[in-house]
Amino acid sequence: LAKTTQPISMDSYEGQEVNITCSHNNIATNDYITWYQQFPSQGPRFIIQGYKTKVTNEVASLFIPADRKSSTLSLPRVSLSDTAVYYCLVGVPLSGNTPLVFGKGTRLSVIA
Amino acid sequence: GAVVSQHPSRVICKSGTSVKIECRSLDFQATTMFWYRQFPKQSLMLMATSNEGSKATYEQGVEKDKFLINHASLTLSTLTVTSAHPEDSSFYICSASGAYQETQYFGPGTRLLVL
Repeated sequence: LAKTTQPISMDSYEGQEVNITCSHNNIATNDYITWYQQFPSQGPRFIIQGYKTKVTNEVASLFIPADRKSSTLSLPRVSLSDTAVYYCLVGVPLSGNTPLVFGKGTRLSVIA
Repeated sequence: GAVVSQHPSRVICKSGTSVKIECRSLDFQATTMFWYRQFPKQSLMLMATSNEGSKATYEQGVEKDKFLINHASLTLSTLTVTSAHPEDSSFYICSASGAYQETQYFGPGTRLLVL
């Protein structure tokens, strides 16, 4: 599984757009990129998954450049409730039957 | 989305006793379930993978005789921490997926405190 690197922590004010970038230089051809969100004392929650270009859902957008060596999770207009740890995962292939390898994640703190 | 529950949500036990944690998929059949452990301020670490009707596959460094995993049905997996010690105190999280699902759905976790 490709190794991922994310910032350890980020701070943001409410209402701002937050972009969290993840590096995965050794991503393989069949790898998908998936982001999870984890609140304190809860299990991780799936946010978004993509393979290339841009993916958008009701929660976030995921931008993946052509070389796929990095990806950016974009959270529009964050609120205090978005304070959580965000994990970037890369898998070959990332399916329900593949164990997930979590890195250290990015601890996002949203300030009023 | 698919719902996974865990019971109990938190448990306190004395050192030397055994604790059983249940993981249930409420609205789908989980052919595969995973058990993770998370210490404070750290990331999730995979402990084992279990497929329904088969023996669990444990990650390196995880004692299979200490952490007993049973996946006897398509909706239930159990993790039993045998002869628990204070260093076993942690947040235990399960995840589950069905045969054709492309992602895993996580339970809410169980916080274990061993005194």
